[in-house]
Amino acid sequence: DVKVTQSSRYLVKRTGEKVFLECVQDMDHENMFWYRQDPGLGLRLIYFSYDVKMKEKGDIPEGYSVSREKKERFSLILESASTNQTSMYLCASSLEFRTGPYPRGYGYTFGSGTRLTVV
Amino acid sequence: AQTVTQSQPEMSVQEAETVTLSCTYDTSESDYYLFWYKQPPSRQMILVIRQEAYKQQNATENRFSVNFQKAAKSFSLKISDSQLGDAAMYFCAYRSEWGFGNEKLTFGTGTRLTIIP
Repeated sequence: DVKVTQSSRYLVKRTGEKVFLECVQDMDHENMFWYRQDPGLGLRLIYFSYDVKMKEKGDIPEGYSVSREKKERFSLILESASTNQTSMYLCASSLEFRTGPYPRGYGYTFGSGTRLTVV
Repeated sequence: AQTVTQSQPEMSVQEAETVTLSCTYDTSESDYYLFWYKQPPSRQMILVIRQEAYKQQNATENRFSVNFQKAAKSFSLKISDSQLGDAAMYFCAYRSEWGFGNEKLTFGTGTRLTIIP
């Protein structure tokens, strides 16, 4: 089975700190994603990447950046953490392949999440 | 941009009974994909069921089935014979048709399902 591993399950950081959230997948997936999950708001996309060194902004990229230097690793960076970035962060990856006129495969695999508290 | 709406923040059902979770979405596309994900307290997102919009037949996976109404843009999840292990947050998600830049999932706000023993 594909595994997506997030480096920390819980993190506590101070306001103004630079924070790195790491995500590694082990099945050569092209696409990787960072979502933020908040009660009542569901999952919102921060950034995604469809290839090494490629990135696309999601719906809420402000205050975040990402890095994808290797295919298996996708890092989320909070340049200067703020209390409103206290949240659950979920990483995901997906593999797509296509036969015929419609895609025949699109498996999304999620990590177990990092609960970040900024104090 | 596509939006996904789950109007029931919380639902509860008696064990062994049937429950239906609602999901509506807004899109101008004709080809797309819909998903239901389950998130138990372990936080691990688990795919429950998926539906391709070009398929008229509703998807089923054991006790889980969907009622896909394309014209109404509705995608409800029915859980039959509810079990204690079904207790979780359930998220409806939308993905655009095949194409560059369409790889992301758009999620609803979730429905917390409680199973009453």
